[in-house]
Amino acid sequence: DTGVSQDPRHKITKRGQNVTFRCDPISEHNRLYWYRQTLGQGPEFLTYFQNEAQLEKSRLLSDRFSAERPKGSFSTLEIQRTEQGDSAMYLCASSTPPGRQIATNEKLFFGSGTQLSVL
Amino acid sequence: DQQVKQNSPSLSVQEGRISILNCDYTNSMFDYFLWYKKYPAEGPTFLISISSIKDKNEDGRFTVFLNKSAKHLSLHIVPSQPGDSAVYFCAAITGKLIFGQGTTLQVKP
Repeated sequence: DTGVSQDPRHKITKRGQNVTFRCDPISEHNRLYWYRQTLGQGPEFLTYFQNEAQLEKSRLLSDRFSAERPKGSFSTLEIQRTEQGDSAMYLCASSTPPGRQIATNEKLFFGSGTQLSVL
Repeated sequence: DQQVKQNSPSLSVQEGRISILNCDYTNSMFDYFLWYKKYPAEGPTFLISISSIKDKNEDGRFTVFLNKSAKHLSLHIVPSQPGDSAVYFCAAITGKLIFGQGTTLQVKP
């Protein structure tokens, strides 16, 4: 399978615990995105990387959230001191735009997501 | 502020008929729009796109129409099939993809 892979598919945790998700993009893609989706809403942008550089972070990404892409391949998203409001589907996507700026015809390829439930 | 809006949470159509999904946007600077389809327990998958220099783009059973003056786009599926039942998101590109809330389409056999 050469698509975007996310692990785990499901995560149940207690409030206050830390969680970490992993995303493996399509191998030749140099751009990687994290989105969050709650019930009844569309995916909301969190952050994205161009290779190992984190180029943009949404204000949705509080200081409890940190994302890394150390070698420009896989990425991790960590949530510290989880809150019930963090319960959502966390989606990773990758793409390979021709240049630094997002091309107007850029298409993102999404993984199946990690469903987080904070009790 | 919801810059991309899909005001119909759900739509039900009969197999073989046309499905029309609507989307409105607020920012006239948006110049590229995409539609994604999402099945349960899967990530969204790209369906069709349109540039603001066009008013129509067609791909098989799927056609997207863009009305820039009204800041409105629509996705037409003809003929609709049960396998089209999914959540459809419209999205605009502005440095990143901004998604609407989604419309759940149910195609009844």
